[in-house]
Amino acid sequence: DGGITQSPKYLFRKEGQNVTLSCEQNLNHDAMYWYRQDPGQGLRLIYYSQIVNDFQKGDIAEGYSVSREKKESFPLTVTSAQKNPTAFYLCASAVTSGGLEDTQYFGPGTRLTVL
Amino acid sequence: AQSVTQLDSHVSVSEGTPVLLRCNYSSSYSPSLFWYVQHPNKGLQLLLKYTSAATLVKGINGFEAEFKKSETSFHLTKPSAHMSDAAEYFCVVRPPRETSYGKLTFGQGTILTVHP
Repeated sequence: DGGITQSPKYLFRKEGQNVTLSCEQNLNHDAMYWYRQDPGQGLRLIYYSQIVNDFQKGDIAEGYSVSREKKESFPLTVTSAQKNPTAFYLCASAVTSGGLEDTQYFGPGTRLTVL
Repeated sequence: AQSVTQLDSHVSVSEGTPVLLRCNYSSSYSPSLFWYVQHPNKGLQLLLKYTSAATLVKGINGFEAEFKKSETSFHLTKPSAHMSDAAEYFCVVRPPRETSYGKLTFGQGTILTVHP
């Protein structure tokens, strides 16, 4: 089955630790995205990547880092510099044609809790 | 610039009655519009999308939405609610594909509760 997988589903982190959230897709999509969701708020864009080896900051990139070494994978690292990392993190992907991106499809999410 | 406002943070209906979730948008161009649904602790699932074709858009699970440019609205409806429709719904606006990378703007979400 084609789709987007995120792991782990739940993640607990101690303050001062870096953690990496996994996002993998087998949809052959060029573009991938990371969002953060907090209660009562819509989604906010952290980083996005339109093509392998290239990525751009979104609206709330501070305290986060990404890499895009493979088309299928777009891991997100939450660093100790992120002041309030407890949130639900969603990965998405989209097909692109001629540099233009289409509808975004979302993974199941990772809930990160800082202890 | 673009923005989206979901007019109700909570909507409560009885099973078998109609559902109306309201969304207004603001955009300086003709946007693409989407409705996504999110069940608790799950990712977002695409319900339907409008991309400048027919103004009445049919989606999955019996949902539909009508694009009204004069009212800048994109309300989501369903004739008869089912218990499984209980979830949070997000209205989303995006610039047209022709403007290259289109940043999504999400509404704040509407929580739909369905009573037996």
